[in-house]
Amino acid sequence: AQTVTQSQPEMSVQEAETVTLSCTYDTSENNYYLFWYKQPPSRQMILVIRQEAYKQQNATENRFSVNFQKAAKSFSLKISDSQLGDTAMYFCAFTWGNQFYFGTGTSLTVIP
Amino acid sequence: DGGITQSPKYLFRKEGQNVTLSCEQNLNHDAMYWYRQDPGQGLRLIYYSQIVNDFQKGDIAEGYSVSREKKESFPLTVTSAQKNPTAFYLCASSMSDRTNYGYTFGSGTRLTVV
Repeated sequence: AQTVTQSQPEMSVQEAETVTLSCTYDTSENNYYLFWYKQPPSRQMILVIRQEAYKQQNATENRFSVNFQKAAKSFSLKISDSQLGDTAMYFCAFTWGNQFYFGTGTSLTVIP
Repeated sequence: DGGITQSPKYLFRKEGQNVTLSCEQNLNHDAMYWYRQDPGQGLRLIYYSQIVNDFQKGDIAEGYSVSREKKESFPLTVTSAQKNPTAFYLCASSMSDRTNYGYTFGSGTRLTVV
């Protein structure tokens, strides 16, 4: 069975600082994809970043980057220069086949 | 613009009533999904459909029903058999063979039992 674990239910960061959200997953598969989704107070789920498991290079999207450690099954999200608009729930997700598996989320608050 | 539309945004249900949540997409996606979101539990899969006139139960299908008569539409009915229906419901879609590009989500429906 595939599982995704986010061990930090809540986090906070000062504006303009850097924060890292943790995610681990468990799978016996080799070719899969990993995602981070953001859910702001509006509740709209927004794709933040995507990583292909067969690529060793870590994905980057502007201020968002990941640290993908395939052997350790770890997929953390780093947010640089945090902004007030980054305040949201963040979900780590894993897909293999036609199914998605989501973590329980990390609530991030950016403090002015 | 293409996207997924969920309606209504807020829905109130009396005890013993069935209610239907609407989900429509114009992305030409084959696959559609319904998730339930509760605080601290992330997203849990209720039902999904890979093709018209076919759907599969997810992890928490009891007390829910769906239909997929059109590619664009995947309504979810919350029946009176669902003992704790108060939650936030999200609809999503994807190309059936391209979930590796991620889901597109609707904006959700908040259901409250009164």
